[in-house]
Amino acid sequence: DAKTTQPNSMESNEEEPVHLPCNHSTISGTDYIHWYRQLPSQGPEYVIHGLTSNVNNRMASLAIAEDRKSSTLILHRATLRDAAVYYCILKESFGNEKLTFGTGTRLTIIP
Amino acid sequence: DGGITQSPKYLFRKEGQNVTLSCEQNLNHDAMYWYRQDPGQGLRLIYYSQIVNDFQKGDIAEGYSVSREKKESFPLTVTSAQKNPTAFYLCASSISGRLNTGELFFGEGSRLTVL
Repeated sequence: DAKTTQPNSMESNEEEPVHLPCNHSTISGTDYIHWYRQLPSQGPEYVIHGLTSNVNNRMASLAIAEDRKSSTLILHRATLRDAAVYYCILKESFGNEKLTFGTGTRLTIIP
Repeated sequence: DGGITQSPKYLFRKEGQNVTLSCEQNLNHDAMYWYRQDPGQGLRLIYYSQIVNDFQKGDIAEGYSVSREKKESFPLTVTSAQKNPTAFYLCASSISGRLNTGELFFGEGSRLTVL
């Protein structure tokens, strides 16, 4: 699987937007971009995924660069419950059905 | 409610003993996965199965074994051959062949400590 690069940690103030970056310069044309997050002592949960166009759902927005070499997960209004490790993952369109998790970004929300 | 149930949540074992972790899902998902997580690390894939009676090795399969006799069950055995078994083990499931249009659902994990 192509590799992603994320900052180890980030901080944000409560009730402000958060932009979590992910670099994936070796992405192939058919790789999907997935985001998961993991709250302390829990299993990861799905956040959002996309291919080329920006995506929105009830949890977050995903902004994908035009060249697809980077993407940004946007939490529009951070709450304390958003404190978690966020993983950016590339998934091949074809081939083995599995996701490879890196070390992610640990997001701290400041009250 | 539909979901994934892992048991036990906490498990202590002596070195050299085999241990089996249970994973059951009632989501009617075809694919199931086992991941391992060490402190401060990401998840590493141990084994996965896309259909009953079939499974594939992940990135760190040595010292582990699995079976998939039923669609809803995917137990993981940590054998005495696993050098560093103490870890947080996570089971997941998905609609087979749909990871690019769907999602991976995780259980709450089993924390294994080998004394």
